[in-house]
Amino acid sequence: AQTVTQSQPEMSVQEAETVTLSCTYDTSESDYYLFWYKQPPSRQMILVIRQEAYKQQNATENRFSVNFQKAAKSFSLKISDSQLGDAAMYFCATISNFGNEKLTFGTGTRLTIIP
Amino acid sequence: DAGVIQSPRHEVTEMGQEVTLRCKPISGHNSLFWYRQTMMRGLELLIYFNNNVPIDDSGMPEDRFSAKMPNASFSTLKIQPSEPRDSAVYFCASNARDSGNTIYFGEGSWLTVV
Repeated sequence: AQTVTQSQPEMSVQEAETVTLSCTYDTSESDYYLFWYKQPPSRQMILVIRQEAYKQQNATENRFSVNFQKAAKSFSLKISDSQLGDAAMYFCATISNFGNEKLTFGTGTRLTIIP
Repeated sequence: DAGVIQSPRHEVTEMGQEVTLRCKPISGHNSLFWYRQTMMRGLELLIYFNNNVPIDDSGMPEDRFSAKMPNASFSTLKIQPSEPRDSAVYFCASNARDSGNTIYFGEGSWLTVV
């Protein structure tokens, strides 16, 4: 079984500043993927970034990067140069690379951008 | 490249009516998922198909819910009869495990049962 924990229900950041959203997970799988999804008020689920567990290098996508600490089972998301359009609910999630394809989500962090 | 396409985007229906939600997965994806999102329960996996075959339907709440995938490019989620507690956003998503194992979501179908 897999679990994902997001301990920050809400976060806020000043526009143009940097913010880090926390995520820890637990899994018995040896091969898995980790994701951050963004859900703006439109409710669409948008993939932000993905990380393959067997890769040590942290994934980056433009202003978004992760700090993946496999031993600690930690997967935080850093957003640099925050923009108003980054305001959304952010979900951390994991999926096994074998067996059941169920995506396990955390409870989400609501990010507010302060102009 | 088209993403996951869902219809309708919004639906308001009266209690007791049948509701059918539709989904077209990303071409080439062989797994399809139906999720439901509510404030109380968050995101729940209802059912998923692999190669058009239902693999895990343990999340389907009750017999009023049914899902089909008659071919690789189409799936339906049906609620009959609908109840107010079924009001939620229903997401369809798809995945190609052999090429990235990343689940992509449609825009969701907002269902309100009054």
